[in-house]
Amino acid sequence: EAQVTQNPRYLITVTGKKLTVTCSQNMNHEYMSWYRQDPGLGLRQIYYSMNVEVTDKGDVPEGYKVSRKEKRNFPLILESPSPNQTSLYFCASSLAAQRVGELFFGEGSRLTVL
Amino acid sequence: AQSVAQPEDQVNVAEGNPLTVKCTYSVSGNPYLFWYVQYPNRGLQFLLKYITGDNLVKGSYGFEAEFNKSQTSFHLKKPSALVSDSALYFCAVTYNFNKFYFGSGTKLNVKP
Repeated sequence: EAQVTQNPRYLITVTGKKLTVTCSQNMNHEYMSWYRQDPGLGLRQIYYSMNVEVTDKGDVPEGYKVSRKEKRNFPLILESPSPNQTSLYFCASSLAAQRVGELFFGEGSRLTVL
Repeated sequence: AQSVAQPEDQVNVAEGNPLTVKCTYSVSGNPYLFWYVQYPNRGLQFLLKYITGDNLVKGSYGFEAEFNKSQTSFHLKKPSALVSDSALYFCAVTYNFNKFYFGSGTKLNVKP
């Protein structure tokens, strides 16, 4: 089954404790991206990756890091989480390189930073 | 700034009636437009897209949308709403398939 898998789905952590949210897709998509969803703000792009070892900032990259060492994986790293990073996070992938464009989303990871 | 606006936080419609969920975008190059739907506790699902060609595009579950360049709009429509259409709808735009911009979302309530 074609899917984007995120882990963990739910996480409560404390300020400053490094964490990683994993994202994996099995559709051989070149493009992957991370978003955060906040009430009234919709989805905002954090980082995106056009292919292995190619990443770039979205609209709200502060406080986040990413890496793309393999095509299928695109982890989101919070080196020192703060309460304002409490949010619902989505990973997505697509065949954007072919200008097809529709994004396939994971189920989301709800993060609470105390 | 490149952005998408969904002017209505919520749209209420009776089952069987037509529905419209509005979306406008700011002009900056050639836009590629999308609609997604989100059900509770789920990720977003693709509904339809405008890339090029016919301004009226048809998508999943009987939804359609019309690209209107002069009004910079891409409203989502359905001739006859179902209770199961109740969900959160997002409009999105990209100009280069790298950066995607999403609206704030519109909650659609379809009442029996």
